[in-house]
Amino acid sequence: SAVISQKPSRDICQRGTSLTIQCQVDSQVTMMFWYRQQPGQSLTLIATANQGSEATYESGFVIDKFPISRPNLTFSTLTVSNMSPEDSSIYLCSVGSGRANNEQFFGPGTRLTVL
Amino acid sequence: LAKTTQPISMDSYEGQEVNITCSHNNIATNDYITWYQQFPSQGPRFIIQGYKTKVTNEVASLFIPADRKSSTLSLPRVSLSDTAVYYCLVGDPLGTGFQKLVFGTGTRLLVSP
Repeated sequence: SAVISQKPSRDICQRGTSLTIQCQVDSQVTMMFWYRQQPGQSLTLIATANQGSEATYESGFVIDKFPISRPNLTFSTLTVSNMSPEDSSIYLCSVGSGRANNEQFFGPGTRLTVL
Repeated sequence: LAKTTQPISMDSYEGQEVNITCSHNNIATNDYITWYQQFPSQGPRFIIQGYKTKVTNEVASLFIPADRKSSTLSLPRVSLSDTAVYYCLVGDPLGTGFQKLVFGTGTRLLVSP
């Protein structure tokens, strides 16, 4: 299994500022995914990040608001830009297992509160 | 990806067997059924996956009837630590679309002493 760490684990930010969340994996992986989980809700996929190419965003999410970097096969960042209180959520990254069942491993999440 | 429907919440007591049913009427031929578990303040964790009949591992069993339009996750003799949200997902694990997991509302299981 893959071990995933995220930094920061939580943060409280002011409206209008930006926060960059880091995701580190203990093995090389092709695809990494970023999800958002709003309080008491299910997970929603933000984007898929492949190393060496632009991230692919899901409907409702745009690069200007959630720029993603994927500089190598073990690391990715998600930036939440120009934050508003509606961005208060838990942000999680995940990676595929590479197994036939396509099991994904998730990081512990970053809890973001925007005041 | 097929849409899934689960109960919003369930309550149980320690030592009981818990069965959570998921409906997926539009499941496609190549689709598998996968369940994830999410504890508070953690990311989801893969529990079990199956295509038809019954699958069992050290954590749970998954029962899938012949028509595959529903499935039941069975947790034997639950403990307080099984309190979590359980998500049912349906898709083709070999299809590129399935790599983008689509989570439904999930079932919030509360186990009491």
